[in-house]
Amino acid sequence: AQTVTQSQPEMSVQEAETVTLSCTYDTSESDYYLFWYKQPPSRQMILVIRQEAYKQQNATENRFSVNFQKAAKSFSLKISDSQLGDAAMYFCAIFGNEKLTFGTGTRLTIIP
Amino acid sequence: DAGVIQSPRHEVTEMGQEVTLRCKPISGHDYLFWYRQTMMRGLELLIYFNNNVPIDDSGMPEDRFSAKMPNASFSTLKIQPSEPRDSAVYFCASSLEGHNLNQPQHFGDGTRLSIL
Repeated sequence: AQTVTQSQPEMSVQEAETVTLSCTYDTSESDYYLFWYKQPPSRQMILVIRQEAYKQQNATENRFSVNFQKAAKSFSLKISDSQLGDAAMYFCAIFGNEKLTFGTGTRLTIIP
Repeated sequence: DAGVIQSPRHEVTEMGQEVTLRCKPISGHDYLFWYRQTMMRGLELLIYFNNNVPIDDSGMPEDRFSAKMPNASFSTLKIQPSEPRDSAVYFCASSLEGHNLNQPQHFGDGTRLSIL
């Protein structure tokens, strides 16, 4: 079985500042992928960033980066230079053994 | 490119009625997934298909839920009879070679279902 825990139901950040969303997971698989999905008010799920478990280098996508600590089973998302359009629900997810498991989400609010 | 298309966007119906949600995956994708999202439980995988064949339906909550994929371009999720606790947003997603972890799942816009 695999689990994903997002311990921050809500976060807020000042526009242009940096915010980090935390995620921990548990799995018995050695081969898996980790994802962060964004769900804006329009409800469409949007893939933000993905990380292959076998890669030690942290993934980055423009203003989004992850801090992947495999031994600690931690996969946090850092958003730099926060923008109003970043306001959304963010879901951490793990894909392993043909199963996709999501966390319960973190609602991010951007303060102008 | 057209993404995953779900219909309707919103559905409001009375308890006991039959509800049918529809999904058109991205052309050429081998896998189709149905998810349900609630605030209490987050996003849950209900069922997924590979080449139109149901592979894992262990997430389907009970017999009132059924899903079909008669062809590669269409799938339905049916709830009969519907109950208020079924109210949620239902997402369909498709993936090219779903077991190839380099291919992410592409989600539709979701259907917001409200059972009164």
